[in-house]
Amino acid sequence: ELKVEQNPLFLSMQEGKNYTIYCNYSTTSDRLYWYRQDPGKSLESLFVLLSNGAVKQEGRLMASLDTKARLSTLHITAAVHDLSATYFCAVDRTSGSRLTFGEGTQLTVNP
Amino acid sequence: DAGVTQSPTHLIKTRGQQVTLRCSPKSGHDTVSWYQQALGQGPQFIFQYYEEEERQRGNFPDRFSGHQFPNYSSELNVNALLLGDSALYLCASSRGIRRGQETQYFGPGTRLLVL
Repeated sequence: ELKVEQNPLFLSMQEGKNYTIYCNYSTTSDRLYWYRQDPGKSLESLFVLLSNGAVKQEGRLMASLDTKARLSTLHITAAVHDLSATYFCAVDRTSGSRLTFGEGTQLTVNP
Repeated sequence: DAGVTQSPTHLIKTRGQQVTLRCSPKSGHDTVSWYQQALGQGPQFIFQYYEEEERQRGNFPDRFSGHQFPNYSSELNVNALLLGDSALYLCASSRGIRRGQETQYFGPGTRLLVL
C-alpha cells in the first residue's frame, strides 16, 4: 500500500524566513504533485514533478524530487503572509491514476 | 475555459438519507475522480470513471456509488448516510488514464454535513 508522509504537520514561521516541508513516499511512483489549499477552499495545483532530480520554482516556492530517496521537498524562501495555507503532496503510481495524499502541512506566516 | 464545476456547494442531510453530488469536468477532460476530505485530513480517493465505467476504487463501502455520462460529467451517490460521511467531496478531472497524461484539476468541492 502506498503511503505518503509529510513533515512537519504544523509550521509557524515569521515573514522573511526560509523553511522546507518534506514529503516521503513508500513505493515507486510516476509523479509527485504539490497542492495548496486555503481554508474552506479546494486544491490548487502548484507543481508536478516527473523525474528524478526535477526542480520547479514559482515565486517564493521551489519543489524538488529525489526518486531514489522517495523524497520531495517544498522550499519556502522569504515567506510572506499570503503563503499561509495548507500544503499537500500527492503521489500516483501510474500517471492519471488515483492520487494518494499526505496529511498536509498547515503553514502560518506571522508578521 | 470553464474549470471543473461541482454542485451543490453545500448540503445538509440527516442520517439514513441518500445524497447525489454532481461534477462537470474541465473542457477536454474525459476522466473524473472523486475524493473525500474529512476535516483536517488529506483527500482520500473514492473512485475514478473513464469511458462511463468505474476504473479504480478506493477503500470505500458499496454505499458509495457513481456514474459517468456520455458528456463525461459524473455523479457520486451515497446511500444510508452516516455521521462520518460529513466531509468535503472533491471532484478532479484529467485527460485520460493513459501514460503521460496531465495532472488532475480539482473542482471547488461540495461540503456535506450529516446530522
